[in-house]
Amino acid sequence: EVQLVESGGGLVQPGGSLRLSCTASGFTFSNYWMTWVRQAPGKGLEWMANIKEDGSKRYYMDSVKGRFTISRDNAENSVFLQMNSLRVEDTAVYYCARGFRGGSVGTGYWGQGTLVTVTP
Amino acid sequence: DIQMTQSPSTLSASVGDRVTITCRASQNINSWLAWYQQKPGKAPQLLIFQASSLQGGVPSRFSGSGSGTEFTLTISSLQPDDFATYYCHQFNSYPLTFGGGTKVEI
Repeated sequence: EVQLVESGGGLVQPGGSLRLSCTASGFTFSNYWMTWVRQAPGKGLEWMANIKEDGSKRYYMDSVKGRFTISRDNAENSVFLQMNSLRVEDTAVYYCARGFRGGSVGTGYWGQGTLVTVTP
Repeated sequence: DIQMTQSPSTLSASVGDRVTITCRASQNINSWLAWYQQKPGKAPQLLIFQASSLQGGVPSRFSGSGSGTEFTLTISSLQPDDFATYYCHQFNSYPLTFGGGTKVEI
């Protein structure tokens, strides 16, 4: 069974940093693109970043470029999101997701999410 | 950036109704489109990928169609478990984007 478990969310002040982690199980992690998607309270889904199977390619949405960094450790079956210079508008539930099949950037399986709250 | 416009934003329906949700892309995305269902407090679940391929385990009352810039998600006979919010998602070009969502309610 595919499982994705996020951790690392919490309360942080504007300008602060957090590092989110997502640990995967139930599939060969190194065969899949991994993605972070967020959802602000009461709002829709927002694609943020993804990373290729071997970590050689990374893509970001404009508003987080230069502030957020996606990375992965295939030996540990984990993907990370380092978030710096956090803003109030970054408050959201952050989901990690796996490609719906090997080689696909489209997401198929999602974790349950971790809440990040940025407040003065 | 490719804008994904869903309509309607809210849809009132009854059990047994046939429901259609539309998603329009601002540029050609070929068939690089997925549909998700999300219930309150839960993660989204994949329904359809590549515009028309049903994800394993998803009931056959769900179907997707379209290519290029116009896509539809159809629920042939709405069931109580289907009251949720539905999102389309293009993965043709970066930045990847989602539609604004369609809430299906009673």
